[in-house]
Amino acid sequence: DAGITQSPRHKVTETGTPVTLRCHQTENHRYMYWYRQDPGHGLRLIHYSYGVKDTDKGEVSDGYSVSRSKTEDFLLTLESATSSQTSVYFCAISEEEGVGTGELFFGEGSRLTVL
Amino acid sequence: DQQVKQNSPSLSVQEGRISILNCDYTNSMFDYFLWYKKYPAEGPTFLISISSIKDKNEDGRFTVFLNKSAKHLSLHIVPSQPGDSAVYFCAASDWTGGFKTIFGAGTRLFVKA
Repeated sequence: DAGITQSPRHKVTETGTPVTLRCHQTENHRYMYWYRQDPGHGLRLIHYSYGVKDTDKGEVSDGYSVSRSKTEDFLLTLESATSSQTSVYFCAISEEEGVGTGELFFGEGSRLTVL
Repeated sequence: DQQVKQNSPSLSVQEGRISILNCDYTNSMFDYFLWYKKYPAEGPTFLISISSIKDKNEDGRFTVFLNKSAKHLSLHIVPSQPGDSAVYFCAASDWTGGFKTIFGAGTRLFVKA
């Protein structure tokens, strides 16, 4: 199993509060991603990183920010959580282009409930 | 606009029979097509993939077929087993400085013993 750890695994918070989810990898992979999973939508890309301090937006990035100060850590921040951000969040990593087939290795997920 | 579509939310199959899961996509720039399997309370795990230059890839009981002209791919599971019961996500990957992978909504497969 790929060494990917997400924390916290479960969190309940109130609307308007800031929330940070952490993803830690031990695989030294360059690429890291944050997805959210919602019924009827599958997994949607929020942000991704292609190196330390190098990040870009995905398809549902509004309301989220990310930071990557070290290869192994990728943080997802909700500056002011809203009920629409209640979801299960998955971190994923991938190897370099030309290695493998573009497969993603996922963490176990972080379930966030915004009341 | 959904770039990857799985139009069947669920599928029920008898043990030992074939399971066929379908997926359609709209973007002709995708390089890889992948299937992921997800059990409850776990992260998705990679199952099988196919590159855009092939039309078939087989791995044990799992075969993926790609029809580029129709922008359609399918996953065949033969024979189906109760342990295959899970949600299957179709995904398409476009390499532009990171494998930005777009997922379908998923199909929940039930394999009845």
